[in-house]
This record gives sequence, structure tokens and C-alpha cells, in this order.
Amino acid sequence: DAKTTQPNSMESNEEEPVHLPCNHSTISGTDYIHWYRQLPSQGPEYVIHGLTSNVNNRMASLAIAEDRKSSTLILHRATLRDAAVYYCILRDVYASGAGSYQLTFGKGTKLSVIP
Amino acid sequence: DARVTQTPRHKVTEMGQEVTMRCQPILGHNTVFWYRQTMMQGLELLAYFRNRAPLDDSGMPKDRFSAEMPDATLATLKIQPSEPRDSAVYFCASGLPLPGLAGDSYNEQFFGPGTRLTVL
Repeated sequence: DAKTTQPNSMESNEEEPVHLPCNHSTISGTDYIHWYRQLPSQGPEYVIHGLTSNVNNRMASLAIAEDRKSSTLILHRATLRDAAVYYCILRDVYASGAGSYQLTFGKGTKLSVIP
Repeated sequence: DARVTQTPRHKVTEMGQEVTMRCQPILGHNTVFWYRQTMMQGLELLAYFRNRAPLDDSGMPKDRFSAEMPDATLATLKIQPSEPRDSAVYFCASGLPLPGLAGDSYNEQFFGPGTRLTVL
């Protein structure tokens, strides 16, 4: 499986934008890029996913580098509720069987939001 | 607001005892996942069901763990006998395949609140 590399931790001031980086230099052409986050004492929750083009939803934006070797999750205005561990995960579109839905979580980036 | 529910939320038991954790997936979801989270290992996939059939349980210790879906509204994870190293938070997640970006199907996973298990 292609691996992702994320900083262990980041800090942001409340109301400021946050850019969470993810490196995936060995990404294959059929790997989706997923982001999940885990708030304290809760289960992970889906944030966003993409394949080649940048994506926006109500929670965040996903900017994917042209060579797809890196991506950035953008929170436009950080709130205290955004303090969480953010996971960047690759999933092979064409993985067969159970692997086609499996998500392999790494260590993620712990985001702290300063009031 | 549809959610995955898990019971119990907390469980403290003694080594050797049987532990049963239950999960109610979101109504209509046909895929169910069991994960375990520890500080050392992070989140690990234990087992995965689709349409109630087990598709992958390679992450699960076979000798003591078992996962089943008696019906579409209930998934169970049992540990017998439990050991201190099983202490962790166990998450259930459910999902429903949706059209993906590349002509495939994509499965967003919705996680429950977890069961925190402590084996003494």
C-alpha cells in the first residue's frame, strides 16, 4: 500500500485558516486520497476525499498537487471544535474484494486550535 | 440524524471473562467494519462485513475473537477469553457504497462512539 506522511502536530489560531499537509510520493494513479478526523473521545469522521481535482465541501477543501505526490486539507476558519487528529489515507480504486473498501489509518496530525 | 450506536460504551472485566460488544449500523448501510484503537498501534481494522457476510477478518486474532452479524441491524464482536492486551477502544463503522469518482463505488465510513474495554 502506498504510504502517507503527515506532521505529528500543528497549531492554529481560532478563526484563522489551517493548511494540513500530506505527502504521498508513492501514490499510484488509482489511489483515492481520503481525509478523516477524530475528535477527542469520539470515533473518526469523514472529512473529504478526492482523486485528481481539488474538492470542496461544507467542512473543508482538498487541494491535490498536480503530480499527486502531495495534498493539503484546508480548513478555512479554524474553530475550537476543529481540534482533532486528522488522518490522510490512500485507497486503491481498483483494489479487489475487501481491500476495495478498507481504510488504513496512520498516526495522523494532531491539530490544536488556540483561542 | 442517523448514527451508528455501540453498546456498552465502557466495559471493565477480568482476564478470562467473555466480552461481547454490540453495534447497530445506520439503517440501510450494508457494510460494517470493526476497528480497534490503542495508543501503541493506532486504529487497526479487525473485520469487515458486506451484506452480513464476513469478507475480511484477517486483522482479528482468530483464537479468541469472533465477529458476527445475526441480522442487518446488529453486529457483534466477542472476545473469549479476554486478556489484558485486549484493552483498547473498539469502534464499529458502517457504510453504503456510492458512485465513485472513477466509475467505481466508494464507501464513506460512519463510525460509532466506540466501546472502551479494560481487561484487568
